[in-house]
Amino acid sequence: GQQVMQIPQYQHVQEGEDFTTYCNSSTTLSNIQWYKQRPGGHPVFLIQLVKSGEVKKQKRLTFQFGEAKKNSSLHITATQTTDVGTYFCAGPGGAQKLVFGQGTRLTINP
Amino acid sequence: KAGVTQTPRYLIKTRGQQVTLSCSPISGHRSVSWYQQTPGQGLQFLFEYFSETQRNKGNFPGRFSGRQFSNSRSEMNVSTLELGDSALYLCASSLVSVSANYGYTFGSGTRLTVV
Repeated sequence: GQQVMQIPQYQHVQEGEDFTTYCNSSTTLSNIQWYKQRPGGHPVFLIQLVKSGEVKKQKRLTFQFGEAKKNSSLHITATQTTDVGTYFCAGPGGAQKLVFGQGTRLTINP
Repeated sequence: KAGVTQTPRYLIKTRGQQVTLSCSPISGHRSVSWYQQTPGQGLQFLFEYFSETQRNKGNFPGRFSGRQFSNSRSEMNVSTLELGDSALYLCASSLVSVSANYGYTFGSGTRLTVV
Protein backbone atom coordinates (compact mmCIF):
# COMPACT_ATOMS: atom_id res chain seq x y z
CA GLY A 1 0.00 0.00 0.00
CA GLN A 2 0.92 3.64 -0.16
CA GLN A 3 3.66 4.77 2.18
CA VAL A 4 4.59 8.22 3.36
CA MET A 5 8.07 8.58 4.82
CA GLN A 6 9.28 11.49 6.85
CA ILE A 7 12.80 12.42 7.85
CA PRO A 8 14.32 13.09 10.20
CA GLN A 9 12.45 11.31 12.96
CA TYR A 10 13.85 13.68 15.58
CA GLN A 11 15.47 17.10 15.39
CA HIS A 12 16.88 19.12 18.24
CA VAL A 13 17.86 22.72 17.56
CA GLN A 14 18.92 25.80 19.41
CA GLU A 15 16.29 28.50 19.53
CA GLY A 16 16.78 30.76 16.55
CA GLU A 17 18.12 28.01 14.29
CA ASP A 18 16.23 26.85 11.22
CA PHE A 19 14.45 23.51 10.94
CA THR A 20 13.38 21.42 7.97
CA THR A 21 11.42 18.19 7.72
CA TYR A 22 11.03 16.19 4.53
CA CYS A 23 8.21 14.01 3.36
CA ASN A 24 8.32 11.43 0.56
CA SER A 25 5.46 9.40 -0.84
CA SER A 26 5.70 6.09 -2.66
CA THR A 27 3.00 7.32 -5.06
CA THR A 28 2.02 10.60 -6.70
CA LEU A 29 -0.25 12.62 -4.46
CA SER A 30 -3.19 14.77 -5.46
CA ASN A 31 -2.47 16.91 -2.44
CA ILE A 32 -0.45 16.88 0.75
CA GLN A 33 -1.39 18.16 4.16
CA TRP A 34 0.71 19.17 7.14
CA TYR A 35 -0.25 18.92 10.77
CA LYS A 36 1.41 19.92 14.04
CA GLN A 37 0.93 18.07 17.31
CA ARG A 38 2.14 19.72 20.49
CA PRO A 39 3.33 17.44 23.31
CA GLY A 40 0.28 15.94 24.97
CA GLY A 41 -2.00 17.43 22.35
CA HIS A 42 -3.72 16.43 19.18
CA PRO A 43 -2.78 17.08 15.54
CA VAL A 44 -3.76 20.50 14.25
CA PHE A 45 -4.13 21.15 10.54
CA LEU A 46 -1.59 23.63 9.21
CA ILE A 47 -1.96 23.68 5.45
CA GLN A 48 -2.78 21.79 2.28
CA LEU A 49 -0.73 21.93 -0.92
CA VAL A 50 -2.31 20.91 -4.20
CA LYS A 51 -0.29 22.17 -7.15
CA SER A 52 2.97 20.79 -8.47
CA GLY A 53 5.85 22.97 -7.29
CA GLU A 54 3.59 24.95 -4.98
CA VAL A 55 5.17 27.02 -2.22
CA LYS A 56 3.13 28.50 0.59
CA LYS A 57 4.23 30.55 3.57
CA GLN A 58 2.73 31.04 6.98
CA LYS A 59 4.84 33.59 8.84
CA ARG A 60 8.09 31.71 9.57
CA LEU A 61 6.84 28.43 8.04
CA THR A 62 7.44 27.62 4.38
CA PHE A 63 5.79 24.62 2.77
CA GLN A 64 6.78 23.16 -0.59
CA PHE A 65 5.22 20.52 -2.81
CA GLY A 66 7.56 18.82 -5.23
CA GLU A 67 7.29 19.09 -8.98
CA ALA A 68 6.47 15.39 -9.25
CA LYS A 69 3.97 15.67 -6.38
CA LYS A 70 5.71 12.88 -4.51
CA ASN A 71 7.59 14.91 -1.95
CA SER A 72 7.13 17.89 0.27
CA SER A 73 9.00 19.87 2.87
CA LEU A 74 8.31 22.16 5.78
CA HIS A 75 10.92 24.72 6.71
CA ILE A 76 10.79 26.85 9.84
CA THR A 77 12.99 29.93 9.96
CA ALA A 78 14.43 31.09 13.27
CA THR A 79 12.68 28.58 15.49
CA GLN A 80 10.95 29.66 18.67
CA THR A 81 10.01 27.59 21.70
CA THR A 82 6.40 27.70 20.53
CA ASP A 83 7.43 25.61 17.52
CA VAL A 84 8.07 22.56 19.70
CA GLY A 85 6.02 19.55 18.67
CA THR A 86 5.72 16.82 16.10
CA TYR A 87 5.11 17.74 12.49
CA PHE A 88 3.25 15.29 10.29
CA CYS A 89 2.69 15.23 6.58
CA ALA A 90 -0.24 13.28 5.19
CA GLY A 91 -1.48 12.34 1.77
CA PRO A 92 -4.64 10.73 0.42
CA GLY A 93 -4.44 6.98 0.76
CA GLY A 94 -7.66 6.04 -0.91
CA ALA A 95 -11.19 7.23 -0.53
CA GLN A 96 -11.78 9.34 2.55
CA LYS A 97 -8.49 8.35 4.13
CA LEU A 98 -5.19 10.02 4.87
CA VAL A 99 -1.88 8.22 5.20
CA PHE A 100 0.33 9.99 7.70
CA GLY A 101 4.08 10.06 7.85
CA GLN A 102 5.71 8.98 11.09
CA GLY A 103 6.32 12.61 11.98
CA THR A 104 9.35 14.68 12.88
CA ARG A 105 9.64 15.53 16.53
CA LEU A 106 11.16 18.97 17.04
CA THR A 107 12.68 19.96 20.36
CA ILE A 108 14.26 23.32 21.00
CA ASN A 109 16.93 24.43 23.42
CA PRO A 110 16.03 27.94 24.60
CA LYS B 1 -17.78 27.46 17.28
CA ALA B 2 -17.34 24.32 19.34
CA GLY B 3 -14.57 21.97 18.28
CA VAL B 4 -14.57 18.21 18.02
CA THR B 5 -15.55 16.66 21.34
CA GLN B 6 -14.33 13.24 22.35
CA THR B 7 -15.38 11.41 25.47
CA PRO B 8 -14.04 10.09 27.68
CA ARG B 9 -10.56 11.65 27.72
CA TYR B 10 -8.97 8.78 29.60
CA LEU B 11 -9.97 5.17 30.04
CA ILE B 12 -8.41 2.18 31.75
CA LYS B 13 -9.76 -1.21 30.83
CA THR B 14 -8.82 -4.81 31.49
CA ARG B 15 -7.92 -7.30 28.78
CA GLY B 16 -10.99 -8.99 27.37
CA GLN B 17 -13.33 -6.12 28.15
CA GLN B 18 -14.96 -3.94 25.54
CA VAL B 19 -15.00 -0.17 25.24
CA THR B 20 -17.06 2.48 23.45
CA LEU B 21 -15.62 5.85 22.56
CA SER B 22 -17.69 8.83 21.49
CA CYS B 23 -17.06 11.71 19.13
CA SER B 24 -19.16 14.77 18.37
CA PRO B 25 -17.92 16.55 15.25
CA ILE B 26 -17.98 20.25 14.55
CA SER B 27 -21.50 21.40 13.85
CA GLY B 28 -22.20 21.05 10.15
CA HIS B 29 -19.37 18.57 9.56
CA ARG B 30 -20.73 15.33 8.20
CA SER B 31 -17.55 13.29 7.82
CA VAL B 32 -16.07 11.64 10.89
CA SER B 33 -12.86 9.63 10.78
CA TRP B 34 -11.12 7.65 13.48
CA TYR B 35 -7.40 7.14 13.87
CA GLN B 36 -5.31 5.16 16.31
CA GLN B 37 -2.05 6.77 17.41
CA THR B 38 0.74 4.78 19.02
CA PRO B 39 4.44 5.57 19.41
CA GLY B 40 5.42 2.62 17.27
CA GLN B 41 2.88 2.76 14.46
CA GLY B 42 2.06 6.45 14.35
CA LEU B 43 -1.34 7.52 13.09
CA GLN B 44 -3.28 4.62 11.61
CA PHE B 45 -6.64 4.99 9.88
CA LEU B 46 -9.49 3.03 11.42
CA PHE B 47 -12.61 4.09 9.49
CA GLU B 48 -14.57 6.99 8.08
CA TYR B 49 -18.30 7.72 8.22
CA PHE B 50 -20.45 10.07 6.26
CA SER B 51 -24.21 10.36 6.62
CA GLU B 52 -24.30 7.24 8.77
CA THR B 53 -22.46 5.18 6.13
CA GLN B 54 -18.99 3.75 6.49
CA ARG B 55 -17.11 4.81 3.38
CA ASN B 56 -13.72 3.34 4.16
CA LYS B 57 -12.14 1.02 6.66
CA GLY B 58 -8.51 0.53 7.64
CA ASN B 59 -6.62 -2.67 8.23
CA PHE B 60 -7.79 -3.41 11.73
CA PRO B 61 -9.38 -6.61 13.01
CA GLY B 62 -13.12 -6.96 13.23
CA ARG B 63 -12.94 -6.22 16.96
CA PHE B 64 -12.85 -2.58 15.92
CA SER B 65 -16.18 -1.24 14.78
CA GLY B 66 -17.93 2.05 14.55
CA ARG B 67 -21.11 3.81 13.64
CA GLN B 68 -22.46 7.24 12.97
CA PHE B 69 -25.78 8.64 14.03
CA SER B 70 -28.14 10.93 12.13
CA ASN B 71 -26.77 13.94 14.02
CA SER B 72 -23.25 13.04 12.76
CA ARG B 73 -22.04 11.96 16.18
CA SER B 74 -19.96 8.84 15.97
CA GLU B 75 -18.96 6.02 18.24
CA MET B 76 -16.28 3.41 17.93
CA ASN B 77 -16.24 0.15 19.79
CA VAL B 78 -13.40 -2.20 20.55
CA SER B 79 -14.33 -5.64 21.82
CA THR B 80 -12.15 -8.22 23.54
CA LEU B 81 -9.48 -5.69 24.36
CA GLU B 82 -5.83 -6.63 24.02
CA LEU B 83 -2.80 -4.97 25.56
CA GLY B 84 -1.78 -3.78 22.11
CA ASP B 85 -4.97 -1.73 21.83
CA SER B 86 -3.53 0.78 24.29
CA ALA B 87 -3.32 3.98 22.29
CA LEU B 88 -4.61 7.46 21.74
CA TYR B 89 -7.79 7.25 19.68
CA LEU B 90 -8.40 10.37 17.66
CA CYS B 91 -11.58 11.44 16.02
CA ALA B 92 -11.36 13.85 13.11
CA SER B 93 -14.18 15.74 11.47
CA SER B 94 -14.30 17.43 8.12
CA LEU B 95 -17.01 19.19 6.19
CA VAL B 96 -17.53 16.64 3.45
CA SER B 97 -14.34 14.82 2.72
CA VAL B 98 -10.74 15.16 3.79
CA SER B 99 -9.69 14.88 0.19
CA ALA B 100 -11.94 17.70 -1.01
CA ASN B 101 -9.45 20.38 -0.04
CA TYR B 102 -10.42 20.35 3.58
CA GLY B 103 -8.13 19.29 6.36
CA TYR B 104 -9.16 17.41 9.43
CA THR B 105 -10.13 19.00 12.70
CA PHE B 106 -9.07 16.54 15.35
CA GLY B 107 -10.55 16.08 18.78
CA SER B 108 -8.37 15.90 21.88
CA GLY B 109 -8.52 12.12 21.75
CA THR B 110 -9.30 9.33 24.16
CA ARG B 111 -6.28 7.80 25.85
CA LEU B 112 -7.07 4.10 26.29
CA THR B 113 -4.91 1.98 28.52
CA VAL B 114 -5.48 -1.77 28.58
CA VAL B 115 -4.07 -3.60 31.60
